[in-house]
Amino acid sequence: SQWGEENLQALSIQEGEDVTMNCSYKTYTTVVHWYRQDSGRGPALIILIRSNEREKRSGRLRATLDTSSQSSSLSITAAQCEDTAVYFCATRTGYQNFYFGKGTSLTVIP
Amino acid sequence: DMKVTQMPRYLIKRMGENVLLECGQDMSHETMYWYRQDPGLGLQLIYISYDVDSNSEGDIPKGYRVSRKKREHFSLILDSAKTNQTSVYFCATGQGCNQAPLFGEGTRLSVL
Repeated sequence: SQWGEENLQALSIQEGEDVTMNCSYKTYTTVVHWYRQDSGRGPALIILIRSNEREKRSGRLRATLDTSSQSSSLSITAAQCEDTAVYFCATRTGYQNFYFGKGTSLTVIP
Repeated sequence: DMKVTQMPRYLIKRMGENVLLECGQDMSHETMYWYRQDPGLGLQLIYISYDVDSNSEGDIPKGYRVSRKKREHFSLILDSAKTNQTSVYFCATGQGCNQAPLFGEGTRLSVL
């Protein structure tokens, strides 16, 4: 999982497989954001989940949030080559200060 | 379409030179951010601006300053650049009710 002093995580899967990425955070938050970053591009928000939601779906994406363990996960169903990217979780602490995990580098092999 | 524009996209400077990175947005968002991204370190917050002339330090402000004289523009200035400021710099604005950062495409800065 990503956060804190952990290094960038790397995952490599076959096309068509499902994958889950985990994120743990240190401070109280009411929403977890998930971003993806393609090579040479800026990060882009793909899904967010609020503390009153245990699960959120968007297409092939599924996010979960467990506030008791301060952790969130992002799952991709039937991964495709175009899902290859780095995925970050981000939380808001204080007044509009967002902090990002170190990310999970996902490679989907055809 | 919402967009954050960063200029230039690539920049090479010599140590000791001054650097100006510019960021623009067309959405009239109040909040704007500057982050830097280094391999293995992820995105680190340099400065946050809540509106014109209302700026606050992030986690790594040393060696940087910012300027926001118009809501649409947010500049990052490196006075006398150092080699350890070689990085990719991202500007972002706060989008939606959560003000989640909407990022530009980044400026890749090399300080030689």
